Amino acid sequence: AQSVTQLDSHVSVSEGTPVLLRCNYSSSYSPSLFWYVQHPNKGLQLLLKYTSAATLVKGINGFEAEFKKSETSFHLTKPSAHMSDAAEYFCVVSEGAAGNKLTFGGGTRVLVKP
Amino acid sequence: DAGITQSPRHKVTETGTPVTLRCHQTENHRYMYWYRQDPGHGLRLIHYSYGVKDTDKGEVSDGYSVSRSKTEDFLLTLESATSSQTSVYFCAISPLTGQGNTEAFFGQGTRLTVV
Repeated sequence: AQSVTQLDSHVSVSEGTPVLLRCNYSSSYSPSLFWYVQHPNKGLQLLLKYTSAATLVKGINGFEAEFKKSETSFHLTKPSAHMSDAAEYFCVVSEGAAGNKLTFGGGTRVLVKP
Repeated sequence: DAGITQSPRHKVTETGTPVTLRCHQTENHRYMYWYRQDPGHGLRLIHYSYGVKDTDKGEVSDGYSVSRSKTEDFLLTLESATSSQTSVYFCAISPLTGQGNTEAFFGQGTRLTVV
């Protein structure tokens, strides 16, 4: 069975400072991993994905994430936060068994202070 | 945006009544999913479909049923709505690419309130 733990339910940063969102996963197979973002009252948008190619993955809006198998982690970072980054972020794992089912973490809500 | 339409977008219903939510896609993707979103739980999978008339349960399937009679439509039915089913429901679609897992594309959500 697969599972995802997002280590922080809330993160507060100042505009222009780095953002770090932490994610640990558990999987019986070689997983695919994703980060999604959800702005208030909106649907979910894919930020980036890891599917066994390069371990450092670059996504949209300046975000990137590093897959570390030894630590079973897939942390999301951005060098400089922008006000528009205020949203909820979800780390997601898929093992690729029948159905391509996605398992979500509980989410991290990011607040960006001016 | 991926061609996914959920209807209705908002619904208030009474306890004990049946409710059907509809997801319609124009992408011809094989996989379709229903998730519910509740604070602190992220999104949890209710049911999914891997083809016409092929469906399977997710982690929170009790009290829900689904049907997929056409590639483009995936219906979620609450057989007898309860207050615990008050939630935001998301439909998602995903293609079968043969290149490993691919991401899912999400609809805008349906906010359901059971009173």
